[in-house]
Amino acid sequence: KNEVEQSPQNLTAQEGEFITINCSYSVGISALHWLQQHPGGGIVSLFMLSSGKKKHGRLIATINIQEKHSSLHITASHPRDSAVYICAVLFMDSNYQLIWGAGTKLIIKP
Amino acid sequence: DTAVSQTPKYLVTQMGNDKSIKCEQNLGHDTMYWYKQDSKKFLKIMFSYNNKELIINETVPNRFSPKSPDKAHLNLHINSLELGDSAVYFCASSQDLRQTQYFGPGTRLLVL
Repeated sequence: KNEVEQSPQNLTAQEGEFITINCSYSVGISALHWLQQHPGGGIVSLFMLSSGKKKHGRLIATINIQEKHSSLHITASHPRDSAVYICAVLFMDSNYQLIWGAGTKLIIKP
Repeated sequence: DTAVSQTPKYLVTQMGNDKSIKCEQNLGHDTMYWYKQDSKKFLKIMFSYNNKELIINETVPNRFSPKSPDKAHLNLHINSLELGDSAVYFCASSQDLRQTQYFGPGTRLLVL
């Protein structure tokens, strides 16, 4: 069974701290997706990765294919980063499966 | 100039009714999706269409039927609504399964 696990489930940090959110999956994948859901409900795509590392502003996403693991990092965190961060994994073997992690709720305190 | 739009944004209806939610994207994408987010906030994919062809069909009740009249539209029809169907339904689109997905604002469905 293809599974996706995120950790931690909840994370509270102070403004300015370096944040790491992890995503592990069970079998080989085609791509991994990081998304952000704001408190108001809107969903924004952050990164789509199949290898290596991507950076956008203060956000960095890495993926290690051998270890079946991805991390999302936030540098110099800010209260506006408070949101739920979700990873989703695309499995493509005999059919397509898009499996979502349960999300990490991040709160950044001023 | 909303990239992915959904209508309606809110839908309150009685058990047993049939309702539709519409989704349109103006990004020229080939792939569209429907997701359900329940009260526990888990986001679960329901369907995905690529160029009007169904490519992902998760285990959802037969009461849910997606319809894609063209690749810019993916509508979701729900028959015989049940209390457990209450959720937020998100539509999304991407160029293909490996590309970034763009989400609509969601449709909040409440079944009474």
